[in-house]
Amino acid sequence: ILNVEQSPQSLHVQEGDSTNFTCSFPSSNFYALHWYRWETAKSPEALFVMTLNGDEKKKGRISATLNTKEGYSYLYIKGSQPEDSATYLCARLFYNQGGKLIFGQGTELSVKP
Amino acid sequence: EPEVTQTPSHQVTQMGQEVILRCVPISNHLYFYWYRQILGQKVEFLVSFYNNEISEKSEIFDDQFSVERPDGSNFTLKIRSTKLEDSAMYFCASYGLGSDTQYFGPGTRLTVL
Repeated sequence: ILNVEQSPQSLHVQEGDSTNFTCSFPSSNFYALHWYRWETAKSPEALFVMTLNGDEKKKGRISATLNTKEGYSYLYIKGSQPEDSATYLCARLFYNQGGKLIFGQGTELSVKP
Repeated sequence: EPEVTQTPSHQVTQMGQEVILRCVPISNHLYFYWYRQILGQKVEFLVSFYNNEISEKSEIFDDQFSVERPDGSNFTLKIRSTKLEDSAMYFCASYGLGSDTQYFGPGTRLTVL
């Protein structure tokens, strides 16, 4: 069974704080790990697709790392802003090209001004 | 920027009624998906569709569910006789060769009374 877990489930931080979340997944037969940002009533927005062990990707104040050998990925947000408030989802691609995504439960981030 | 659209945004129905959820994937994409999220649970895969046929379906996707691509643009999910436990947010997604991720619509919230 392919089980993807995220922690914490929710996080409340002050504006300006830096924060990070964890996504853990089975490491065998790995293809890719996807991070999405989801605000209520909007489409989940793709943040990163990570494929190689040791991958590190960055988009503005958000970055992510990948360890496929031990089966985890970290998402970091530097200097959180209220507009970063959203649910952050990670999903492992089950097989390549057209395969399904298996999601974690998400981390709900709330950033207070 | 191309996007996946879904209609309606919210559907309320009586138990036992049929519902059709509609999606317009990104136009040059070839793989189409339905996922759902029951409140408080993980986003879970329902079905994938490629080359006008189902390529994979989950245990949830029983005989009450069907998918169709009736023309070149729409992708629909039909639930023949809704149950209370079908209440969830239903997401459509699409993927194309050359894209790096699955693109999601904003979801249809289905409430079964």
